[in-house]
Amino acid sequence: QSALTQPASVSGSPGQSITISCTGASSDVGRYNYVSWYQQHPGKAPKLMIYDVSNRPSGVSNRFSGSKSGNTASLTISGLQAEDEADYYCSSYRSSDTPYVFGTGTKVTVL
Amino acid sequence: EVQLLESGGGLVQPGGSLRLSCAASGFTFSSYAMSWVRQAPGKGLEWVSAISGSGGSTYYIDSVKGRFTISRDNSKNTQYLQMNSLRAEDMAVYYCAKELRFPAGGGMDVWGQGTTVTVSS
Repeated sequence: QSALTQPASVSGSPGQSITISCTGASSDVGRYNYVSWYQQHPGKAPKLMIYDVSNRPSGVSNRFSGSKSGNTASLTISGLQAEDEADYYCSSYRSSDTPYVFGTGTKVTVL
Repeated sequence: EVQLLESGGGLVQPGGSLRLSCAASGFTFSSYAMSWVRQAPGKGLEWVSAISGSGGSTYYIDSVKGRFTISRDNSKNTQYLQMNSLRAEDMAVYYCAKELRFPAGGGMDVWGQGTTVTVSS
């Protein structure tokens, strides 16, 4: 049950845009439009930022957007702010027996 | 306010057992599937188990099958994770999470604060 692949770290200056990739396989990311993204600050619980590839839950800033192409999903943060500094995880539906596979996680640093 | 509150974590010896609880409030508990997700120290997130709203369907990651049992009591708005034959690799913070929909896999929109399980002799 291999994890989805994310870059270990991404950084950007305040106001810039950054994109985090999430690469899976044709059996998960490539097959289903059930990709989610979570933000996790140190010592805190994860927070859902994006679901179904590109939908934002109520209350999540529109600076966060999601997309997918083939086996790779992406999270873009525009207008980067200091409070965006956190770990980000993608997840995808994989099968009825194993509904979730998570990504390896990306640490976002605001320079 | 929608809220999940985990309890039951602690220190246990290898081979021992623990039961985690997750008390829900602020939403119609029985209408939603629920999951448990864990995070080992310094590591990423790992989905562990899920249960349907009625409790009739359950799902587990391969590494815990036969050792962990997920259940729920909708009259108490509480889900549980019974963990037996615990191993060092089960040591983690365990989060309770509410599923957006059933079947599980479409995203988890409410998370508890987590409860820590330490497996050590």
